[in-house]
Amino acid sequence: DGGITQSPKYLFRKEGQNVTLSCEQNLNHDAMYWYRQDPGQGLRLIYYSQIVNDFQKGDIAEGYSVSREKKESFPLTVTSAQKNPTAFYLCASSKIMQPQHFGDGTRLSIL
Amino acid sequence: AQSVTQLDSHVSVSEGTPVLLRCNYSSSYSPSLFWYVQHPNKGLQLLLKYTSAATLVKGINGFEAEFKKSETSFHLTKPSAHMSDAAEYFCVVSPGGATNKLIFGTGTLLAVQP
Repeated sequence: DGGITQSPKYLFRKEGQNVTLSCEQNLNHDAMYWYRQDPGQGLRLIYYSQIVNDFQKGDIAEGYSVSREKKESFPLTVTSAQKNPTAFYLCASSKIMQPQHFGDGTRLSIL
Repeated sequence: AQSVTQLDSHVSVSEGTPVLLRCNYSSSYSPSLFWYVQHPNKGLQLLLKYTSAATLVKGINGFEAEFKKSETSFHLTKPSAHMSDAAEYFCVVSPGGATNKLIFGTGTLLAVQP
């Protein structure tokens, strides 16, 4: 079945530690996106990529980094510079100008 | 600038009664509009989309929405609520363009009482 796989489902980070969230899609979509979701808020865009080896900052990119070395994969690193990383992180993908499809998310918590 | 406002943060209905989730948008030109649903600890699932064709859009699971340009609204409705409809619903606007960026409302949590 085609879809978007995010792993792990739950992730814990110690203070000062970088962590990487995985996002893989087998939908042959060109574009991929990372969002952050906090309680009572809508989704906010962190980074997006429309093509391999290229990506752009979204609205809240500070403290995050990404790479897009393969069409299928768009990992997100939450760095120690992100002072409030506890959130639900959602990855999405789409063909150009088509609705976005979402993974089931990764919940990140601080120990 | 594009924006979207969901007028109710929580809506509670009884099973079998109609559902109305309200959404207003702001756009300087004809936007694309979407409704997504999110069940607890899950990703978002597309319910329906409006892309300047018919103003009444039918989606999955019996939901539909009507685009009203004069009222800048895109309210989501369902004639009869089911327990499985309990979830969070997001109204979303796309400004268009090649980036396909989305602007999300803050969500409406729908509770369905037995």
